[in-house]
Amino acid sequence: GIQVEQSPPDLILQEGANSTLRCNFSDSVNNLQWFHQNPWGQLINLFYIPSGTKQNGRLSATTVATERYSLLYISSSQTTDSGVYFCAVEGDQGGKLIFGQGTELSVKP
Amino acid sequence: DTGVSQDPRHKITKRGQNVTFRCDPISEHNRLYWYRQTLGQGPEFLTYFQNEAQLEKSRLLSDRFSAERPKGSFSTLEIQRTEQGDSAMYLCASSHAWTGGNQPQHFGDGTRLSIL
Repeated sequence: GIQVEQSPPDLILQEGANSTLRCNFSDSVNNLQWFHQNPWGQLINLFYIPSGTKQNGRLSATTVATERYSLLYISSSQTTDSGVYFCAVEGDQGGKLIFGQGTELSVKP
Repeated sequence: DTGVSQDPRHKITKRGQNVTFRCDPISEHNRLYWYRQTLGQGPEFLTYFQNEAQLEKSRLLSDRFSAERPKGSFSTLEIQRTEQGDSAMYLCASSHAWTGGNQPQHFGDGTRLSIL
């Protein structure tokens, strides 16, 4: 099955700093989603981005499907950005999402 | 627009007991998914339905687990004879699928199961 790898596994930032999270996947995908899991365990949809670039406030994402990777950019980080960021892909056969192991982000004041 | 609703939020039970969780998807969504998440890991797929039909089951879904979606609306996940290893967060998601593809999945807040 499809393998999803995220890097880095952990990241500590000072408030106001920028960061880039990466997601590599091993095969062609129909869909790709980025999620933020907050300290209460809630999975929040950030982007639905099978290809191209999208922006939402301080966050943006780019997926290059032909090269099998996606990037999540966080600018001017805030303490509320802390949590785990997951990338998840839906393979060609459709249906289930396959998640990476996540990047745990900690933003210090 | 109400999101995906899961009940209960927390469940503590003794090993060997049966438990049942409920998920109410976003109303216009025809697909419903169950995932399990253990500490420090990403969610892992268990099973999903399109309307009433269960289309895929993971090998993680042992014969002690059963899921239903009898009227194509809410779903239940039952675990029989619970074991310590069943302790996890159980997440439900829903999406709308059409002939052109699958729209993004939206997740509920999960049911956290603790086995004593």
